[in-house]
Amino acid sequence: NAGVTQTPKFRVLKTGQSMTLLCAQDMNHEYMYWYRQDPGMGLRLIHYSVGEGTTAKGEVPDGYNVSRLKKQNFLLGLESAAPSQTSVYFCASSLVRNTEAFFGQGTRLTVV
Amino acid sequence: AQSVTQPDIHITVSEGASLELRCNYSYGATPYLFWYVQSPGQGLQLLLKYFSGDTLVQGIKGFEAEFKRSQSSFNLRKPSVHWSDAAEYFCAVIPNNDMRFGAGTRLTVKP
Repeated sequence: NAGVTQTPKFRVLKTGQSMTLLCAQDMNHEYMYWYRQDPGMGLRLIHYSVGEGTTAKGEVPDGYNVSRLKKQNFLLGLESAAPSQTSVYFCASSLVRNTEAFFGQGTRLTVV
Repeated sequence: AQSVTQPDIHITVSEGASLELRCNYSYGATPYLFWYVQSPGQGLQLLLKYFSGDTLVQGIKGFEAEFKRSQSSFNLRKPSVHWSDAAEYFCAVIPNNDMRFGAGTRLTVKP
């Protein structure tokens, strides 16, 4: 059982480039989340989804877009990367709202 | 502003000593409450959770947490710390549909 899988694990981008981070879960979970983790700031919610075809903004949505076309996948896009988006990105999923969230291993993104 | 606060950025304890990590939240209603642990280079693992009922909850690895409504707190405790407990600990809440995290407390364990 793979759980939550994030690809890629590492990426270096130049300022202005675009990329998509993929999160896949095989637990049939309804809720999926994208967080960024920065030193001293914990995990901050970027966007989340409460089911296939739905997305909602979190605390820090600017500069990111998401899509949930399939229940098992949640994509995070950066249209024009900026150095301020250098961070570790975590995807998580949960069965429903008030249950345990399962996390991926993270994607370390550096924007130069 | 609504938030989750972990007042201690870094705590150092000796192996075998007791531990308490603090967490306070500022949401109107009692949210769902969680503690997660993150080892270096890893994702987050759930230690325990509180939804309702008994305010003292037991988790994995010998951890427990106590919910105090009057103080809007959900502090994590362990009676005797092991060297393998060195990690970063995050308090999290679900006030509505999304999970919000505190800034984390890094635990160092001295031999």
